[in-house]
Amino acid sequence: DAKTTQPPSMDCAEGRAANLPCNHSTISGNEYVYWYRQIHSQGPQYIIHGLKNNETNEMASLIITEDRKSSTLILPHATLRDTAVYYCIVRVTDSWGKLQFGAGTQVVVTP
Amino acid sequence: DTEVTQTPKHLVMGMTNKKSLKCEQHMGHRAMYWYKQKAKKPPELMFVYSYEKLSINESVPSRFSPECPNSSLLNLHLHALQPEDSALYLCASSLLAGGRYQDTQYFGPGTRLTVL
Repeated sequence: DAKTTQPPSMDCAEGRAANLPCNHSTISGNEYVYWYRQIHSQGPQYIIHGLKNNETNEMASLIITEDRKSSTLILPHATLRDTAVYYCIVRVTDSWGKLQFGAGTQVVVTP
Repeated sequence: DTEVTQTPKHLVMGMTNKKSLKCEQHMGHRAMYWYKQKAKKPPELMFVYSYEKLSINESVPSRFSPECPNSSLLNLHLHALQPEDSALYLCASSLLAGGRYQDTQYFGPGTRLTVL
């Protein structure tokens, strides 16, 4: 299974962009990168996913390097409500939908 | 609408009790999941149902018994639990599951279970 490595914590100033890195150097060619976040004691919330092209939606942008060994989630204008644990997950191939969560990055947005 | 609902929100039970957790979605999803999350740990998959059939059991003890009576509803029956089973139990659903499908999973808010 492709594993991911994320920094354990990050601080971000409100209104600034938050760039969250993720390393997945053993990713296979047909495995997607997913990002979820979990605000304290709530269920994980889907943010975005991608295969090899950069993706953008109303919540965030996902930048995947050309060799696909790492990616960056960008929250363009962080707010206090973006304080959460952010999980970068590589979707396991032929996994019956299994999401293998790592430890994630605790992001704290400060005023 | 990407809503998955779970009831109850909180549950306290003794080790000899029998209780059930309920999960519901009305998005037409045919895959449903149970995850368990201990404090300060990431969620861990317990069960996967696809088209109302159990597809994956991640070696979960038999005191946890899942049930999928129809495509919208998923239950988790609890019996003779231990205090170490106290956790947040999360339900999720996706359009499909299995093989090459990469359908996004949407999670419910969870049930906070405390076993005394």
